[in-house]
Amino acid sequence: NAGVTQTPKFQVLKTGQSMTLQCAQDMNHEYMSWYRQDPGMGLRLIHYSVGAGITDQGEVPNGYNVSRSTTEDFPLRLLSAAPSQTSVYFCASSFRPYYEQYFGPGTRLTVT
Amino acid sequence: QKEVEQDPGPLSVPEGAIVSLNCTYSNSAFQYFMWYRQYSRKGPELLMYTYSSGNKEDGRFTAQVDKSSKYISLFIRDSQPSDSATYLCAMSARALGAQKLVFGQGTRLTINP
Repeated sequence: NAGVTQTPKFQVLKTGQSMTLQCAQDMNHEYMSWYRQDPGMGLRLIHYSVGAGITDQGEVPNGYNVSRSTTEDFPLRLLSAAPSQTSVYFCASSFRPYYEQYFGPGTRLTVT
Repeated sequence: QKEVEQDPGPLSVPEGAIVSLNCTYSNSAFQYFMWYRQYSRKGPELLMYTYSSGNKEDGRFTAQVDKSSKYISLFIRDSQPSDSATYLCAMSARALGAQKLVFGQGTRLTINP
């Protein structure tokens, strides 16, 4: 099993550009989430999904969209990138949604 | 005030020392208490979890939860250089919904040979 995979590993965007961060898991997990990690802030939940076709907002959803058309994939879209979205983004999946998250390797995003 | 507070460190100790990492929280609804370990430039991985109060031991690691004080701890015995990482506490509750984990800021730990 590859576990949770994320692409790209690194990305530099200009302000106003849009892009999609890809996330896929091969563990048949129903639950998936996107987090951002900033210095001194820990991990903050952006959006999450409890199954294909079902998504909801987390703590910091503004500026991001998600969709979940399959169990395996959970892409995160940045609509119009801003410097405040410079961060490391982690995708996670789970079959025990209250405590056990499997994290991907992360995407380091810089917005200039 | 953050729901979960964790001293960010950094914390540096000699090999073999006992390490104590701590978090405090404000939401009494939290039921699941977790410790994740994150190596540099990697994703976090679950180290231990505890449901409700009490202690849990796994090898050199012991997790403690004191719900009356809203305080959790992770102890590492006989610390090794391979334990050098950032340790994140996290908490959740069924009442808050699935996938709603709240993380502390993380403590960066270095074990010196």
